[in-house]
Amino acid sequence: EVQLAESGGGLIQPGGSLRLSCAASGFTVTSNHMAWVRQAPGKGLEWVSIIYSSGSTYYADSVKGRFTISRDDSKNTLYLQMSSLRAEDTAVYYCSRVVTAIDYWGQGTLVTVSS
Amino acid sequence: QLVLTQLPSASASLGASVKLTCTLSSGHSNYAIAWHQQQPEKGPRYLMKVNTDGSHTKGDGIPDRFSGSSSGAERYLTISSLQSEDEADYYCQTWGAGFQVFGGGTKLTVL
Repeated sequence: EVQLAESGGGLIQPGGSLRLSCAASGFTVTSNHMAWVRQAPGKGLEWVSIIYSSGSTYYADSVKGRFTISRDDSKNTLYLQMSSLRAEDTAVYYCSRVVTAIDYWGQGTLVTVSS
Repeated sequence: QLVLTQLPSASASLGASVKLTCTLSSGHSNYAIAWHQQQPEKGPRYLMKVNTDGSHTKGDGIPDRFSGSSSGAERYLTISSLQSEDEADYYCQTWGAGFQVFGGGTKLTVL
């Protein structure tokens, strides 16, 4: 059974850094494309970043230069390193598996950027 | 620029059918899309992928009441025999090399 479990969210001050983790089971992260998607309070879904099985990475313009997506083969885990955080980064962050379309989602982890 | 357009809201009665629409921006009518459901206070769930020819591939455990179709630049999600638990936000999604795009979502109310 495919499962994705995010962790690492919390309250962080503007300008701070945070690393989100997504532990995967039932499949191999490195053999699949993986993405982060976020949802600000009361808003819709917004794509954040993707890492392809090849290792190529891409980012939404809103986070380029501030966020870094990566994966750990030995832990079968996906990461999102977030730095220079802003109030507008406040959202629930979901990790997802991508097989052309997103076909599995995690339950999400809340990141709140506030002083 | 690839944009997906959805009406913000829709409503239908319990037991009836409803057809939600996702429109691809001009010049992008050859893209497949996916539909996702987000029930209140829950994370999204993948429903199905809809191809340009209208064929669709559903996710694990998605009931037969959910189906997809396509016409030109429009992609549809039809839900029949509406149940109370179908009241949710529905998002369409598409993708290309190095990007993913979401529609703004349609909030479905079951009357």
